Amino acid sequence: DTEVTQTPKHLVMGMTNKKSLKCEQHMGHRAMYWYKQKAKKPPELMFVYSYEKLSINESVPSRFSPECPNSSLLNLHLHALQPEDSALYLCASSQEEGRYEQYFGPGTRLTVT
Amino acid sequence: QKEVEQDPGPLSVPEGAIVSLNCTYSNSAFQYFMWYRQYSRKGPELLMYTYSSGNKEDGRFTAQVDKSSKYISLFIRDSQPSDSATYLCATLNTNAGKSTFGDGTTLTVKP
Repeated sequence: DTEVTQTPKHLVMGMTNKKSLKCEQHMGHRAMYWYKQKAKKPPELMFVYSYEKLSINESVPSRFSPECPNSSLLNLHLHALQPEDSALYLCASSQEEGRYEQYFGPGTRLTVT
Repeated sequence: QKEVEQDPGPLSVPEGAIVSLNCTYSNSAFQYFMWYRQYSRKGPELLMYTYSSGNKEDGRFTAQVDKSSKYISLFIRDSQPSDSATYLCATLNTNAGKSTFGDGTTLTVKP
């Protein structure tokens, strides 16, 4: 099973809402990533977890809060977002941090109204 | 200056054409060079990778890296409509632990 799953597929939220994105993998990978991708742009790294510990935070605003409850699960908690945060949020995993091969999920398309 | 610059496209070719996709990079510390393919409304999928300089072939796809000129290429032979997608080059410095992506080139192969 080389699949990374993400839920929900689509999310529309207001600027005062709190919501969460979920990512799951069962490949035994020990590194998991959150990326943000705007239309016609490459994925931008937000966070990296390695062995369930936050390893990299690319100076992401605190309205995005990641969580890694166990080695298979990664959440991204969203609160007080801005319309410019509307984007495709991609989760990825790799065997270890810093490996060339990352497996991406299909993404959650987020719209902030 | 971006660390990875990719020829922007878009690119439109007839079926059966040879396609050349190109990137340049600036950081000599990059060790791995990858090509991802991203279909519309999907996540990127690793197509090929190369470690250091040289060529790597996989079916109709050939990845080429020239570290002396910091140039990365992907060639697609006998292109098919199913190859229509956005292609992202990416580089990895294993010491920094993260990949750097080019902006992507959107390819359309017309039947």
